[in-house]
Amino acid sequence: EAGVAQSPRYKIIEKRQSVAFWCNPISGHATLYWYQQILGQGPKLLIQFQNNGVVDDSQLPKDRFSAERLKGVDSTLKIQPAKLEDSAVYLCASSLDKGRRNEKLFFGSGTQLSVL
Amino acid sequence: QQPVQSPQAVILREGEDAVINCSSSKALYSVHWYRQKHGEAPVFLMILLKGGEQKGHEKISASFNEKKQQSSLYLTASQLSYSGTYFCGTPKGANTGTASKLTFGTGTRLQVTL
Repeated sequence: EAGVAQSPRYKIIEKRQSVAFWCNPISGHATLYWYQQILGQGPKLLIQFQNNGVVDDSQLPKDRFSAERLKGVDSTLKIQPAKLEDSAVYLCASSLDKGRRNEKLFFGSGTQLSVL
Repeated sequence: QQPVQSPQAVILREGEDAVINCSSSKALYSVHWYRQKHGEAPVFLMILLKGGEQKGHEKISASFNEKKQQSSLYLTASQLSYSGTYFCGTPKGANTGTASKLTFGTGTRLQVTL
């Protein structure tokens, strides 16, 4: 079974530039999550989609971050403009269905973003 | 609110045991445990639901005490492969066992040496 695919693996940009990350979840997984993991910390949920609708985006800095999940499959996360504090690993995860007991997340390898 | 884990870091020799604790200031209905090896994605270990159940994965087991709002992860006879950072996660609200809106803890870095 193919896992969660993310690209690019690494990205280096200068502050105030724009960047986009792509995620392809496991086939059939209805729920997709974007997490931000700053070095030495636990992953922090940015946005959660159920199919192509947003379930939670309360911690997404909406003045600079945006995300979409067209057709309920692939998703993109964009930062525009980037700040130094956005340097982190951006993890995409997917799960089979919201509301199931013993539901687990499957994470992608992440995109490591460095903002200079 | 983010769960607090203790200890922050621990170094073990192969074969030794360790306990990792996860505490929350809010009511817990389930606790999720993940392990992340250096430079890799977090990997699911187990979920514990209300009822004080214990579960196991390899020689790793866990308990959940909802009255104390805490969970503990027990690593028995540790192996080199157990090295990594362990995170507990708690979902928002009373969703029992779902991964919806997980808030991960501060993390515990475990290093197992020969």
